[in-house]
Amino acid sequence: GQNIDQPTEMTATEGAIVQINCTYQTSGFNGLFWYQQHAGEAPTFLSYNVLDGLEEKGRFSSFLSRSKGYSYLLLKELQMKDSASYLCAALDSNYQLIWGAGTKLIIKP
Amino acid sequence: GAVVSQHPSRVICKSGTSVKIECRSLDFQATTMFWYRQFPKKSLMLMATSNEGSKATYEQGVEKDKFLINHASLTLSTLTVTSAHPEDSSFYICSARGGTGGHEKLFFGSGTQLSVL
Repeated sequence: GQNIDQPTEMTATEGAIVQINCTYQTSGFNGLFWYQQHAGEAPTFLSYNVLDGLEEKGRFSSFLSRSKGYSYLLLKELQMKDSASYLCAALDSNYQLIWGAGTKLIIKP
Repeated sequence: GAVVSQHPSRVICKSGTSVKIECRSLDFQATTMFWYRQFPKKSLMLMATSNEGSKATYEQGVEKDKFLINHASLTLSTLTVTSAHPEDSSFYICSARGGTGGHEKLFFGSGTQLSVL
């Protein structure tokens, strides 16, 4: 079956760095997404990886290893506004998005 | 890099009206575009696959007459929500397939938040 695993909740300190991991198993693979979602709001697109490696975009970076079925989202210089849920989603061979349950990130002062 | 422009980003309309959402690939030709919708507290779901010059392929459970998709050119696809009702309120996002050098990938629009009153 198809499955996405990511931690349910993580806590980090303002100004620090946090890495949110995601492993996936899908029938076919056309890329992996990371979204940020604040409570009650629509998800915000953060990144899309289809090739192996690290892609950096400001304070956020996303890494993909297709051979390992693994990705992570790296957040640097954490700010209080980064407190949100982070959703990992893989695109399967039919271009359907397979979603993880999301990781709730709590930032403490 | 490749950019997909989706417009509008947010729309509020009255029940019974129709709303059109545009998705443009700005610097590449996209023979295939995809339309997704997020249901409340659920994941983004693929609604339809749009191929330039042909009819869109809809996923099971998606009403073709309700969600009209037109892909008239290689850079533009539109989604029209006809006779919108409050239950159509959702987040809609498009994506376009493109790229060169054997590294084809999807590029996503920024999404449209539709609120039907």
